[in-house]
Amino acid sequence: DQQVKQNSPSLSVQEGRISILNCDYTNSMFDYFLWYKKYPAEGPTFLISISSIKDKNEDGRFTVFLNKSAKHLSLHIVPSQPGDSAVYFCAATRAMIKAAGNKLTFGGGTRVLVKP
Amino acid sequence: DVKVTQSSRYLVKRTGEKVFLECVQDMDHENMFWYRQDPGLGLRLIYFSYDVKMKEKGDIPEGYSVSREKKERFSLILESASTNQTSMYLCASRSPGKTEAFFGQGTRLTVV
Repeated sequence: DQQVKQNSPSLSVQEGRISILNCDYTNSMFDYFLWYKKYPAEGPTFLISISSIKDKNEDGRFTVFLNKSAKHLSLHIVPSQPGDSAVYFCAATRAMIKAAGNKLTFGGGTRVLVKP
Repeated sequence: DVKVTQSSRYLVKRTGEKVFLECVQDMDHENMFWYRQDPGLGLRLIYFSYDVKMKEKGDIPEGYSVSREKKERFSLILESASTNQTSMYLCASRSPGKTEAFFGQGTRLTVV
């Protein structure tokens, strides 16, 4: 049972346009959400996160939106650049649990291609 | 600068071999994780450890074991490698109560 889902396996966008990546989750106990970016043959790197007490978090070109009632979050990249071409993973966790529950559950990833 | 180091970038092993994947972190993190990444399946948790000598099964522990004898080191063991364990393996660490996990560069394991 996948608790975190990214239903779009790939996305192609023109340079300068907006990229919108979507993520859905089923576990209402998740209270913190993260986006990671991964280039081939490298480990994922943290991009941006949001707590469940917020509905928006912005960092430069990256904005994450959270809709708790719909159990849905999205990542907006504006404007998209060729260097943004990578696989993006959505992840969820129960932030305040210190032991067994404190793990990151990932979605299947969305491959983004930004065309020059 | 935070650092999670995996011992090998690429490994080729034969079916039935015992395989050790090593991971070291220098951030004094209590939590450490092993994931595998497969196309379309994302990152799936194999095992995690929330303290020295403590371990818990993740979502896909079958065929794997782990060892955490020291805080900075978390080892993944494939008891008898099989071709369906060909994958990218990723180690991560995180401080309890924090949310961001830091990943190593990954080990691409091929079992032939």
